[in-house]
Amino acid sequence: AQKVTQAQTEISVVEKEDVTLDCVYETRDTTYYLFWYKQPPSGELVFLIRRNSFDEQNEISGRYSWNFQKSTSSFNFTITASQVVDSAVYFCALSLQGAQKLVFGQGTRLTINP
Amino acid sequence: EAQVTQNPRYLITVTGKKLTVTCSQNMNHEYMSWYRQDPGLGLRQIYYSMNVEVTDKGDVPEGYKVSRKEKRNFPLILESPSPNQTSLYFCASSLGPRASYEQYFGPGTRLTVT
Repeated sequence: AQKVTQAQTEISVVEKEDVTLDCVYETRDTTYYLFWYKQPPSGELVFLIRRNSFDEQNEISGRYSWNFQKSTSSFNFTITASQVVDSAVYFCALSLQGAQKLVFGQGTRLTINP
Repeated sequence: EAQVTQNPRYLITVTGKKLTVTCSQNMNHEYMSWYRQDPGLGLRQIYYSMNVEVTDKGDVPEGYKVSRKEKRNFPLILESPSPNQTSLYFCASSLGPRASYEQYFGPGTRLTVT
């Protein structure tokens, strides 16, 4: 069975600090996909990134970066120089090749204080 | 604008009163899915559909029904709602034929069953 664990339930930091959200996944399959979604206070789910299991290159998009390490089954998300607008619940998710569902972690509520 | 719409956005109802939450997408996606979000549990899949007239159960299908008579619409039906179905519901459609592709989520429907 597949499982995604986001051990950090809530994180609170001061604006401009860097913050890393952890994501650990479990699967026996060799082909799978990892995702991050953002859920701002307005409630919608916003897609951030999709990464396949064969691509371990780190990804950077502006202040956002993702560190994928198969050796530790982790797909961590870092926000550099955080801003108040980054306050949201962030979900990590896993899908297997050919699968019909996303398996979500419990989510991490991130609060950026001014 | 490419989007997934859900209606209603908010609903308060009583136990046993049948209700339908509508979902519609304008991207001609074949794959659609329903999730429910509960605190501490992340999102869990209720049902999914790979195409018109093709639906199947997700992880938590009990108490729900779906139909897919048209490609764009995927309504969620609660024949006899109970308080444990109080939750935040999301409809999603996928860029590809599987859940392993980027999914677009609707704005969510917050349901309260008293």
